[in-house]
Amino acid sequence: DGGITQSPKYLFRKEGQNVTLSCEQNLNHDAMYWYRQDPGQGLRLIYYSQIVNDFQKGDIAEGYSVSREKKESFPLTVTSAQKNPTAFYLCASSAGRGSGNTIYFGEGSWLTVV
Amino acid sequence: QKEVEQNSGPLSVPEGAIASLNCTYSDRGSQSFFWYRQYSGKSPELIMSIYSNGDKEDGRFTAQLNKASQYVSLLIRDSQPSDSATYLCAPTTLGSNDYKLSFGAGTTVTVRA
Repeated sequence: DGGITQSPKYLFRKEGQNVTLSCEQNLNHDAMYWYRQDPGQGLRLIYYSQIVNDFQKGDIAEGYSVSREKKESFPLTVTSAQKNPTAFYLCASSAGRGSGNTIYFGEGSWLTVV
Repeated sequence: QKEVEQNSGPLSVPEGAIASLNCTYSDRGSQSFFWYRQYSGKSPELIMSIYSNGDKEDGRFTAQLNKASQYVSLLIRDSQPSDSATYLCAPTTLGSNDYKLSFGAGTTVTVRA
């Protein structure tokens, strides 16, 4: 089935650790995104990529890093520099500009600092 | 001023009534407008998109867009308990060199039986 797969669904991080959230899509979409959602809040854009080997910072990129080496993959690393990483992380993709750019979401990953 | 503002919730409506959700946006360059529904603990799912001024109907949902007023709304007719969720408004802007998508904080709707 076509879709966006995020893993792991639940992740616990110790203080000072880097963790990587995986996002894979088989929709042949050009654009991919990472959002963060805190309880009772809207979605905030962390990073996005419109094409392989290129990505841009969103509104809250500090403490995060990404790579886009393959069209179908857009992993997000939460570094130790992110002081408050506990949140729900959503990966999304879209066909890209000129296509209405409807965004579809993966099922999300819950990250908790312990 | 926030880029996208939605009417504060929670919005409680009786079953069978109309739920009215409002959204205003600050970027006049916004071209596409989406409404997503998000159940608690789940990811958002697209329920409506609208690109032109006026109304667009899809089943029990009607989206209304007024670009001059920078306003988009969502009506849910004959509200059902399964409509209880948070609804996110998302205007999008497609720039020549960049892309921007902003979400509102969402309005939580509770449909009471």
